Amino acid sequence: QVQLVESGGGVVQPGRSLRLSCAASGFTFITYSMHWVRQPPGKGLEWVAMISSNGNNKYYADSVQGRFTISRDNSKNTLYLQMNSLRAEDTAVYYCARDLESGGYGAEYFQHWGQGTLVTVSS
Amino acid sequence: EIVLTQSPATLSLSPGERATLSCRASQSVSSFLAWYQQKPGQPPRLLIYDSATRATGIPARFSGSGSGTDFTLTISSLESEDFAVYYCQQRSDWPPLTFGGGTKVEIK
Repeated sequence: QVQLVESGGGVVQPGRSLRLSCAASGFTFITYSMHWVRQPPGKGLEWVAMISSNGNNKYYADSVQGRFTISRDNSKNTLYLQMNSLRAEDTAVYYCARDLESGGYGAEYFQHWGQGTLVTVSS
Repeated sequence: EIVLTQSPATLSLSPGERATLSCRASQSVSSFLAWYQQKPGQPPRLLIYDSATRATGIPARFSGSGSGTDFTLTISSLESEDFAVYYCQQRSDWPPLTFGGGTKVEIK
């Protein structure tokens, strides 16, 4: 079965960096585009970034553009999110999510989700 | 950016009742809209995509309809496990992919 396991969250001071990882299993990782979606405590969902199946195309929300970088290592079945210049408003549970459809850009719907990792930005 | 507005914010119903949730888009998204269910402490679960297609394993009591700017998620007869928060999401014009603010379905 599909499994997505995030790691790397924690408490970090404003302006510092953090890298999240998402280990994928149970499907052919290289054929699916992948996403990061976040959820501030007690609030709604916000899409953060997407990377195509081959890693050549990446897209970001305006709120993280220029600060966050999405990447993937298809040899390790792992998705990453490098987060720099962190702000208090980046505090959230970060989910990795697999696209509904395989190939290219996929369908831009989120069929499988990890359990999330909490990032808290605080001094 | 396409803004999705969900209503009502909270829906108070009893088990067995019919739930009707609304999602309105700031501009047409054709049929490129999905619905998710989220329970406390859990990630969201995909229920419906492309406005009306049920995702794998989703019970038939969940149905979606609509196109353009107005969409509805209907739960025909609420079961105890259906009390949760529901989000809509569009993929018509992106980036960004956007979500609505959510509707909480609570037990009356």
